Amino acid sequence: RKEVEQDPGPFNVPEGATVAFNCTYSNSASQSFFWYRQDCRKEPKLLMSVYSSGNEDGRFTAQLNRASQYISLLIRDSKLSDSATYLCVVSLSGNTPLVFGKGTRLSVIA
Amino acid sequence: SAVISQKPSRDICQRGTSLTIQCQVDSQVTMMFWYRQQPGQSLTLIATANQGSEATYESGFVIDKFPISRPNLTFSTLTVSNMSPEDSSIYLCSIKGGSYNEQFFGPGTRLTVL
Repeated sequence: RKEVEQDPGPFNVPEGATVAFNCTYSNSASQSFFWYRQDCRKEPKLLMSVYSSGNEDGRFTAQLNRASQYISLLIRDSKLSDSATYLCVVSLSGNTPLVFGKGTRLSVIA
Repeated sequence: SAVISQKPSRDICQRGTSLTIQCQVDSQVTMMFWYRQQPGQSLTLIATANQGSEATYESGFVIDKFPISRPNLTFSTLTVSNMSPEDSSIYLCSIKGGSYNEQFFGPGTRLTVL
């Protein structure tokens, strides 16, 4: 079983749509959780951290379910500029490197 | 956040040769990491570069193939040795930091081996 699993997509959605991505992780000892965004031919960049209580940043909402070892990302009112690959990322602790999922590709269409 | 630069940004190399990739950070950092991202794949950790000691390699990666140097807290190099077409990939260096102890990445080195 892979450490971090995501649906690779692609998700093709119209502008203004709401889209949700899911991710599962295998190591129950994981402590830190993130969503990164990677544009084509660019390096990954942090989109948001995921807190146990869930958190929201503008149009983006992240949720964590430790019991099910499941992380989600919800994007509301999709923009063309949201088109990218979204990487689910976990870490065991502050001193261990991040483990990346393969990413979910999103295309927002006009 | 720290500024991370990598050189070269891209290269095309012949089979059997070696390429050294440089990573420079504009501030001192304890932990630096080297990742590989093959076409259509996610990021795979190659090794953690430790200052003053040997790098720590992940399963499937060995020092003879990917020697790493970390002479100080702002610089590291990764060498891809005796290259084959299977080594064609993007190589990224990364550091830990920030409010959430997240990782930041350099712009990557796109390597093509013919």
